[in-house]
Parts: sequence; structure tokens; C-alpha cells
Amino acid sequence: DAKTTQPPSMDCAEGRAANLPCNHSTISGNEYVYWYRQIHSQGPQYIIHGLKNNETNEMASLIITEDRKSSTLILPHATLRDTAVYYCIVRRGTTGSARQLTFGSGTQLTVLP
Amino acid sequence: EAGVVQSPRYKIIEKKQPVAFWCNPISGHNTLYWYLQNLGQGPELLIRYENEEAVDDSQLPKDRFSAERLKGVDSTLKIQPAELGDSAVYLCASSRGGRGGRSDEQYFGPGTRLTVT
Repeated sequence: DAKTTQPPSMDCAEGRAANLPCNHSTISGNEYVYWYRQIHSQGPQYIIHGLKNNETNEMASLIITEDRKSSTLILPHATLRDTAVYYCIVRRGTTGSARQLTFGSGTQLTVLP
Repeated sequence: EAGVVQSPRYKIIEKKQPVAFWCNPISGHNTLYWYLQNLGQGPELLIRYENEEAVDDSQLPKDRFSAERLKGVDSTLKIQPAELGDSAVYLCASSRGGRGGRSDEQYFGPGTRLTVT
């Protein structure tokens, strides 16, 4: 699976949009971009995933560049409860060994009051 | 629906002692994972089960670690004997499994924090 690069930490003011970048310049055409987050003392939580098109759900939006070499996770109105480590993961698919998630070190997002 | 349940949440043992962790996945989830998470790092896969079959255990240190998933539901991860370096959080996750069409996202339990002294 392609390797991802994320900044180790970011701050965001409460109520503002949090934009978390991820670089995956070696991504292959059949690989998906997944985002998970891990709040302190909890297990990781699925946020969103995408292949080529931008995606939006009740938690966040995912913007993938046209060349697919980078993406941005957007939390439109960050709250204190969004403080967590955010992991960007590239995954080949959802069957067999591709089902595995390979986590990096992620980005520690701190939402400030 | 109930989430992934793990117990115990915390465990402190002396080195060379055995320890076991238990996981109950979400009902109907065929795939079960055990991950190890060291402080400040992301989780690392130890073993993946498809129903009762361990299909990926290449990262499991088999000299001291063992796992089982009898009847394809609950799972137990054991360490015997524990070493100081085994201090970490052990996470269990489950997913629906099957083939294609769905994101097959993994749902994680809260983890067991192991401290070996």
C-alpha cells in the first residue's frame, strides 16, 4: 500500500474549519484514501473514504486532488470534541489482504477554545 | 447496535507472567483484527481472522503470542510469558467482511492497556 505523509500536529480554533492535509504521492489507481481518527483513550473511528471524487458525510468532507497525490480532510465547524489524532490511510480494497489498514503516526489536531 | 467490547480495560502484570485479552466483536461481523499500539504510534496489525480462520498472522510474534477465535465470534489474545517491551495498548476491531461494494470500515474497541513491570 502507498505510504502517506501527514504533519505531526495542527491547531484549530473552535467553530472554524479544520483542514488536515495528507500526501500520498505514490498512490496507485486502485487505491482508496481512508481517514480515521483516535480520541484519547479510545480506539480509532472511521470518518470517510474516497477513490477519485470528493466525498462528504455527516462528519467531514474529503477533497482529493485531480492527480490523487494528496488529499485534505475538512471538518467544517470544529468542536473541542474533535481533538484527536487523525490518520490518513491508503488502502487497496476491501477483500482479502487488502482489508488491512496500515496506520502511520497521524496528525494530532488540537481544537482550541 | 453494541460496539466492540474488550476486557479488561487495564492490566498490570510482572514480567514472565501470562496475560490474556478478550474481545467480543459487533454481531454479524465476520472479520476480526487484533492490533498493537505503542505510545505515540499508530496501531499495527497482529492478526486477522475471517470467521474462525486466522488468515493473516505474519506480524504475530508466535514464540510468545497466541490467539484464537473459537466458533468465529469471540476472540482471545494471549501472551506467555510477558516481557517489558509488551507494554502497550492492544486493540480489537471487527468488520462486516464479504466481498466488494461496501467500505468495510473497521470498528474498534476501546483497547486493553497492558503494563508489564
